[in-house]
Formats: sequence, structure tokens, C-alpha cells
Amino acid sequence: DAGVTQSPTHLIKTRGQQVTLRCSPKSGHDTVSWYQQALGQGPQFIFQYYEEEERQRGNFPDRFSGHQFPNYSSELNVNALLLGDSALYLCASSSVAGGSGANVLTFGAGSRLTVL
Amino acid sequence: GEDVEQSLFLSVREGDSSVINCTYTDSSSTYLYWYKQEPGAGLQLLTYIFSNMDMKQDQRLTVLLNKKDKHLSLRIADTQTGDSAIYFCAERGSKTSYDKVIFGPGTSLSVIP
Repeated sequence: DAGVTQSPTHLIKTRGQQVTLRCSPKSGHDTVSWYQQALGQGPQFIFQYYEEEERQRGNFPDRFSGHQFPNYSSELNVNALLLGDSALYLCASSSVAGGSGANVLTFGAGSRLTVL
Repeated sequence: GEDVEQSLFLSVREGDSSVINCTYTDSSSTYLYWYKQEPGAGLQLLTYIFSNMDMKQDQRLTVLLNKKDKHLSLRIADTQTGDSAIYFCAERGSKTSYDKVIFGPGTSLSVIP
């Protein structure tokens, strides 16, 4: 049973460019959350998708956008990249319908973005 | 607002017990979690506790929750070198079953052989 898979694992961009990160949730999960983890810090919540809609959003600018597809996979898009966007981007999946109520998040290994 | 705080570093000798502490501000938190992150990897769930519980034990791990003081701790018995990692405390509010999970800054645990 594959867990959460993310791609690409590493990428380098320059300021002003745009990036798309991809995530496939764990089998049986229907909800995807995205987090940004800067070096030496805890994960910061970006947004969460369920039923192809953004359901909750953290304190991130509109440059950060996302999408969820009918197969529950998700994309994170960041426009007009800034140096400060350099971070590990983590995708986490969970199940609302089949969960125990604890909404346990299963994380992928992350996509490390470097902005030069 | 929601905030989770942890001490940033902890160093223990192999075989001793480790205690990692966490405080949170959201009094409506329903679930509190402990995650572990090893270098270059994502976060791995260690354990979680529902807010109406005081304690949960799972093999070498013991979680204590003081809801009045909004204080959570993770005790690792017989700490091994393989336990060296960053440990994150996290909390989820009560608004809905899909409420977001908020993480603390992480505690870096170093185990000295």
C-alpha cells in the first residue's frame, strides 16, 4: 500500500518563476493538506482540499494556490517566487469519511524547493 | 489564536528517559499529536491523545496531557540512538472533523551513546 507520494523531490527555480508541486494521497484518503517547512522550523499550514475545494487556508498570500482532482491527488502552485519561498513543501493526506475522528495526517517525504 | 510552543533542543544519554514538553493556546483543541521527523524525511505519527484523556501509553512512549495548563509531554523510556530526531507537537481544534492541524517548532533530540 503506497503512502503519500510527492514529486518532484528537489527543484531549483529563480525569483519570479512559477512552480507546481504534485501529491498523491495514501490509498483510501480523501483530504489533502499542504504545509511549508522552512529550515529549522515547524510545518506551517498552507491550505487543505476536500471534494476538490479549498476548505481551509493558512496565512499565505494568493501567490499560493492549489487544486484537487477527482482521484484526490493535488497540486500546489506558487507564482512569482521569492527567495523566502525556499522550503520543504509537505503534503499530508487524511480521511474524513473513514477516519476515527483523530484526522491523523500521513505525510509524504516532501518537495524541497530552492529559489535563487 | 492558535499557537504551539516547544523547547528547541534536548540532549540525553542512551538508556535514560527523554521528556519533551509542549504548550498550546487553543483551549478547544480536541486532539493532540506527536510526530517525529528524521533528516531528509517527512513527518511520521508517533502517537496522539484525545483531549478528554490524561495519559496514553504505547510501548516506550507515554503521553501526559494537562488540559487545564494546556501542557502536553512525551516521555520516551530507554532512549536509543535511533530516537535522535526532531519531535513535533501538534494540535487540532474542535470546529469540524477536518479542522487544520497546527504544529510547534519542533524539539531536536540528541541521544549520546
